[in-house]
Amino acid sequence: EVQLVESGGGLAKPGGSLRLSCAASGFTFSDAWMNWVRQAPGKGLEWVGRIKSKSDGETVDYGAPVKGRFTISRDDSRSTLYLQMNTLKTEDTAVYYCITIFEIDGPCWGRGTLVTVSS
Amino acid sequence: DIVMTQSPESLAVSLGERATINCKSSQSVLYSSDNKNYLAWYQQKPGQPPKVLIDWASTRESGVPDRFSGSGSGTDFTLTISSLQAEDVAVYYCQQYYSVPFTFGPGTKVDIK
Repeated sequence: EVQLVESGGGLAKPGGSLRLSCAASGFTFSDAWMNWVRQAPGKGLEWVGRIKSKSDGETVDYGAPVKGRFTISRDDSRSTLYLQMNTLKTEDTAVYYCITIFEIDGPCWGRGTLVTVSS
Repeated sequence: DIVMTQSPESLAVSLGERATINCKSSQSVLYSSDNKNYLAWYQQKPGQPPKVLIDWASTRESGVPDRFSGSGSGTDFTLTISSLQAEDVAVYYCQQYYSVPFTFGPGTKVDIK
């Protein structure tokens, strides 16, 4: 069974940092292109960024609101995706989801982890 | 960036009646090399993560009731709930995963009339 389990959320101060993890199982993680998506309280869904597989160059793309502040990385030996969030702003408060998209089965989402940025 | 729009913003339908949600993309999400539309529909209930209902515009996910169906191609898509049930009250989103940044529609809230 495919599973994506996010962790690492919590409370951070404006200007602070937090690192999220997403543990993957049930598929070949090293072949997968992985994404982060977030949802602010009461708001819609926003794509944060994507990392390609190592064989595809491990290229990373970011959404405009987080570019230069967030870093996506992966550890294929641990089947884990990371999101390093620096210089946090109150508007980064959201539930953060990791997702991947399979060629046959389409999108698969984790259950998310809540990040709250507040003084 | 591909802009996704949805209509209506909200709708109220009687139990057992049909609900139709439209989604439009600012450019085609049909990938010519595999003839697939890179479009998904999600259902989200309060306090829960989005649930994938439909991917590739018309493929129902395993376990999703057959009253949910997706149609359309290119830039215009529709999610239909053929006979609304009480448990279908939720917000519904469309998403394109044709190109980054992946973008979502603003959501359509479905309620019981």
